[in-house]
Amino acid sequence: KQEVTQIPAALSVPEGENLVLNCSFTDSAIYNLQWFRQDPGKGLTSLLLIQSSQREQTSGRLNASLDKSSGRSTLYIAASQPGDSATYLCAATDSWGKFQFGAGTQVVVTP
Amino acid sequence: DGGITQSPKYLFRKEGQNVTLSCEQNLNHDAMYWYRQDPGQGLRLIYYSQIVNDFQKGDIAEGYSVSREKKESFPLTVTSAQKNPTAFYLCASSISGEVTEAFFGQGTRLTVV
Repeated sequence: KQEVTQIPAALSVPEGENLVLNCSFTDSAIYNLQWFRQDPGKGLTSLLLIQSSQREQTSGRLNASLDKSSGRSTLYIAASQPGDSATYLCAATDSWGKFQFGAGTQVVVTP
Repeated sequence: DGGITQSPKYLFRKEGQNVTLSCEQNLNHDAMYWYRQDPGQGLRLIYYSQIVNDFQKGDIAEGYSVSREKKESFPLTVTSAQKNPTAFYLCASSISGEVTEAFFGQGTRLTVV
């Protein structure tokens, strides 16, 4: 069974610093890897989707990489802002269209 | 606006009662999902449906039931058999196929009193 792990569980950085969030998965036979943002008491907002044939995806200050052979994905957020404070979750998709989620990394960006 | 609508946002239930959470989408997605989220834990899959009139159990289906009579609707019933139903419930949908990007509703917080 696919297991997805996110380390660290929590992270605090000063404004302006770059954020690096890690996601690892045990089964490399994934279809996609998706990164989400969740604000307290809210649903999930999709940030980036990386297809299994891709190495990375970029959107504005966000960049996500995927290394299937090592079972890792990394989300980079450049020049962090207090508005980036949230929990970030990754999810690996299998061939049945099921998503397996990590527990998330809670990020606090201090002004 | 296209999206996924969950209602109600907050729900209180007495022990022993069944309760139904609503999930509606107008994205024309084939697949729909129900997840449960507990503090400090990731999302756990309850049920999912890839097509109308068909659904499969996820990892924690015991004490829950679903139906998929229409493409746009996937209601979840939390039955009295669910031992610890207090949680945040999230509904999602996606296009079936290889590029399965998921979109989520805003969630329903269920509290058993």
